[in-house]
Amino acid sequence: EDQVTQSPEALRLQEGESSSLNCSYTVSGLRGLFWYRQDPGKGPEFLFTLYSAGEEKEKERLKATLTKKESFLHITAPKPEDSATYLCAVRNQGGSEKLVFGKGTKLTVNP
Amino acid sequence: ETGVTQTPRHLVMGMTNKKSLKCEQHLGHNAMYWYKQSAKKPLELMFVYSLEERVENNSVPSRFSPECPNSSHLFLHLHTLQPEDSALYLCASSQRDRGLAGAIKETQYFGPGTRLLVL
Repeated sequence: EDQVTQSPEALRLQEGESSSLNCSYTVSGLRGLFWYRQDPGKGPEFLFTLYSAGEEKEKERLKATLTKKESFLHITAPKPEDSATYLCAVRNQGGSEKLVFGKGTKLTVNP
Repeated sequence: ETGVTQTPRHLVMGMTNKKSLKCEQHLGHNAMYWYKQSAKKPLELMFVYSLEERVENNSVPSRFSPECPNSSHLFLHLHTLQPEDSALYLCASSQRDRGLAGAIKETQYFGPGTRLLVL
């Protein structure tokens, strides 16, 4: 069964303090790993898709990387507006449309 | 309107009520999804519609009934719900295309959700 584990559950940073969020996965043939950002009371907002080990993508202060077992979301010099829950999801090669999500990491960036 | 919209944004209903959630996507996509998000749990896929045909139903109780009249609209009809059905219900859409080597590359875009409370 496909599984996604995100750590830590919650992370509190000071503004400008860089860190990384982890997404470990077990999937029968990865067909995409997705990162989303979710603000309270809102739907998830798409950030990145990674398809193969070694792939990296960047957007502003965020950089996502992928290995064969995990993905990292690196946050460089975060600002308070980066505070949100970050969700990771995977899709397998079985032909299903199902995305398997982790529980998320709640990030708080203090000014 | 842009993206994926959902109405209502908040809903309170009794266990004997019948209500419907509505989702509309303005992205020209051909697949739509319903997800349930409960506190402290990962998002759970409920239903998938592709080209208006239901292609996946993840063992969802029959008190939830989806309807997809066209590729832009998706409904979730609710009846005789239980308090444990209280959650954030999210709609998503995607464009199901086949990339090189037959791999399906698609990204799901979510609406803002309907916060449902069952009393």
